Amino acid sequence: GEDVEQSLFLSVREGDSSVINCTYTDSSSTYLYWYKQEPGAGLQLLTYIFSNMDMKQDQRLTVLLNKKDKHLSLRIADTQTGDSAIYFCAEVVRGGNKLTFGTGTQLKVEL
Amino acid sequence: DSGVTQTPKHLITATGQRVTLRCSPRSGDLSVYWYQQSLDQGLQFLIQYYNGEERAKGNILERFSAQQFPDLHSELNLSSLELGDSALYFCASSVGQTTDTQYFGPGTRLTVL
Repeated sequence: GEDVEQSLFLSVREGDSSVINCTYTDSSSTYLYWYKQEPGAGLQLLTYIFSNMDMKQDQRLTVLLNKKDKHLSLRIADTQTGDSAIYFCAEVVRGGNKLTFGTGTQLKVEL
Repeated sequence: DSGVTQTPKHLITATGQRVTLRCSPRSGDLSVYWYQQSLDQGLQFLIQYYNGEERAKGNILERFSAQQFPDLHSELNLSSLELGDSALYFCASSVGQTTDTQYFGPGTRLTVL
């Protein structure tokens, strides 16, 4: 079945690294995504990783994928106050089209 | 800006009423998806259209329907509205039918009183 889980809340200090974790249960997932939602705004695509990759780096963002444990993480380096938002991981299964979202992790960046 | 537009931004209506939400996909995208975001259900997939045809259905109530027009814009119709239908409704678009990156619009916030 499809079920994507995330911790609900993360608080970090400005300048530190943030690590947001996600677990999924569908082993046939092909693409895994990270979206950001700021208050009152839509979902902004941050990055994605294909299931045959272990890692992807995009400027301050690093995505790690552990397929054996069905674990996905998003690391934000040098976290800034503008990174405060809710972060969603999402998966698409092989041959599928719908995104299955996690519960979202609220990231709070403190000065 | 994702290139996906949605109107209206906010909608306030009463129980029992019917509303229509509109979405225009990014230029060149043929698929349109509708999602509902609510406090108790989270983000849930409702329905997908590809080039005018329904392609996939999720947790969409029978009171809800959608269509995609020849110019590729889409409308989500919600009828016999209930308090529990209050939510943020997102539209997303992608180039193809499956496993293409989906880009989201800003959403329509529906409040049913």
